[in-house]
Amino acid sequence: GQNIDQPTEMTATEGAIVQINCTYQTSGFNGLFWYQQHAGEAPTFLSYNVLDGLEEKGRFSSFLSRSKGYSYLLLKELQMKDSASYLCAVRIDTGFQKLVFGTGTRLLVSP
Amino acid sequence: DAMVIQNPRYQVTQFGKPVTLSCSQTLNHNVMYWYQQKSSQAPKLLFHYYDKDFNNEADTPDNFQSRRPNTSFCFLDIRSPGLGDAAMYLCATSRGGTSGLAGEQFFGPGTRLTVL
Repeated sequence: GQNIDQPTEMTATEGAIVQINCTYQTSGFNGLFWYQQHAGEAPTFLSYNVLDGLEEKGRFSSFLSRSKGYSYLLLKELQMKDSASYLCAVRIDTGFQKLVFGTGTRLLVSP
Repeated sequence: DAMVIQNPRYQVTQFGKPVTLSCSQTLNHNVMYWYQQKSSQAPKLLFHYYDKDFNNEADTPDNFQSRRPNTSFCFLDIRSPGLGDAAMYLCATSRGGTSGLAGEQFFGPGTRLTVL
């Protein structure tokens, strides 16, 4: 089966740095996506990793280690608007490109 | 702006009364997906279309059907909604292909279904 684990909830303060971890056990790995989802809204794309290493995109960075089945999303200079759920999704190759989502990490940023 | 549109945003139906949710896209993507997302849970893939080819997930109940009359539109039909079908239904699209960001999925705003 496919298994993706993320912490359920995290809290942080405005201006701080937070790291959201994701571990996965899947077959046919072909990339890992991070999505942001505000309450009641659709997920929006944040980042994509397919090779080991760090991808930086403004305040957000994402890291992947395929040998460890591990990724993290790093958010710097946190803002109140960053309060949202962060979904880790693994793309698996089952004959077509399917995303398997984790349950998401709810991040609460306080003043 | 190219986008994924879902109508309605909120849908209320009665137990057992058929309901149809719609999704349209201006991205000209090959693949369209329907997900069900319940509160505090991961989006769960119900099925997808790659062009006209329909692919059902093994655990999607028969109560859920889909139609894709053309590239731009895709419909989710729930034949006899039960209380357990109350959820957010997300439509997504992607370009297809097997590498790079080809699999990146673009989501619509979702339709929140309430079953009374």
